[in-house]
Amino acid sequence: QQQVKQSPQSLIVQKGGISIINCAYENTAFDYFPWYQQFPGKGPALLIAIRPDVSEKKEGRFTISFNKSAKQFSLHIMDSQPGDSATYFCAAWGDFGNEKLTFGTGTRLTIIP
Amino acid sequence: GAGVSQSPSNKVTEKGKDVELRCDPISGHTALYWYRQSLGQGLEFLIYFQGNSAPDKSGLPSDRFSAERTGGSVSTLTIQRTQQEDSAVYLCASSLSNQPQHFGDGTRLSIL
Repeated sequence: QQQVKQSPQSLIVQKGGISIINCAYENTAFDYFPWYQQFPGKGPALLIAIRPDVSEKKEGRFTISFNKSAKQFSLHIMDSQPGDSATYFCAAWGDFGNEKLTFGTGTRLTIIP
Repeated sequence: GAGVSQSPSNKVTEKGKDVELRCDPISGHTALYWYRQSLGQGLEFLIYFQGNSAPDKSGLPSDRFSAERTGGSVSTLTIQRTQQEDSAVYLCASSLSNQPQHFGDGTRLSIL
């Protein structure tokens, strides 16, 4: 019930292409869905987040698409650049009496020239 | 700096020794979290503090793990009698209540 499933585990995209990472959750009480970006040797950094009252949120080249009925959400990176090469984690949060995030297992994204 | 600060950044110790990991949260952040990230794995929740109290310790893997927070600020995660399976990156995050969590760069713990 508390799991967040993330796919793919790794992804290689050509420069300028669209990178798409998908996540699915079970617990309908989740109501906040952030994406974190992590570079080697660094901690995760918040990239973009969405609440289930909207179906899409865009910030620059990064877009979250949210499908509440399917309990799925995805990250789209438009015009992918080599600097986007990192590990991406989706996460979910709900008011269960604690404030912990439940994370997906991560996607290692590599952008090739 | 203005971010979450963790120390040491790297720690190598022998099996059976005790280790202490420190987290300095962002000033004013009332919530503090510890997570563990094993090689190639996602982030595993360990413990959550609101102020100095820990309403959720459910992620601590064994009684060898403990954590405290003093003055509503600095937190220490202690691992006693370390085992090789404790090798991981230990991440700390802080936030205002119901706001996004901000992470430090972690402590890379290696147990020989």
